[in-house]
Amino acid sequence: NAGVTQTPKFRVLKTGQSMTLLCAQDMNHEYMYWYRQDPGMGLRLIHYSVGEGTTAKGEVPDGYNVSRLKKQNFLLGLESAAPSQTSVYFCASSYIGTAGELFFGEGSRLTVL
Amino acid sequence: KQEVTQIPAALSVPEGENLVLNCSFTDSAIYNLQWFRQDPGKGLTSLLLIQSSQREQTSGRLNASLDKSSGRSTLYIAASQPGDSATYLCAVPYNNNDMRFGAGTRLTVKP
Repeated sequence: NAGVTQTPKFRVLKTGQSMTLLCAQDMNHEYMYWYRQDPGMGLRLIHYSVGEGTTAKGEVPDGYNVSRLKKQNFLLGLESAAPSQTSVYFCASSYIGTAGELFFGEGSRLTVL
Repeated sequence: KQEVTQIPAALSVPEGENLVLNCSFTDSAIYNLQWFRQDPGKGLTSLLLIQSSQREQTSGRLNASLDKSSGRSTLYIAASQPGDSATYLCAVPYNNNDMRFGAGTRLTVKP
């Protein structure tokens, strides 16, 4: 009964380093999302995907890239990390997009020094 | 632009009390509204999804109502328990593939 799984759960990076966050869902959902949650800013959409092989920009896409090579996986990449990217990142998935229920992962806490 | 506001930001009640959390949104052209629960250091868990054609949804001790015309939703929690302590967020669809989330109400239920 895994649902949405994110790895890693915690990571500390130095400015300029790169990393990838992995999101995996076992519910056969078409739609997948990456959000960041910051104090005072709430949840903001970074990128999303409406199906395997598709990606699109959300509200705050700069500094991030994504890929959806397999339906069950959605990867979020930081090519050159900046302190402003220190945040908690959440992956979510849905069967019918925002018309239906959203299922979230446990989050990945990233600190950029 | 859709804005979602939740009042109060924090609420502390004794165990057993019935309580109401409020959510308001500026654009009433929504097709649903979701209530989520977030425990410290955890992800969001969907509690209730109300379609625009519905006025209420119930799950156990939780009841959510939706009044599109006034841009408001309420989450009613009956007979609160310490295990209900968490942050509760509401969210509405925005721009086809995005959601607008409220900042949440942090609820503490004291034994």
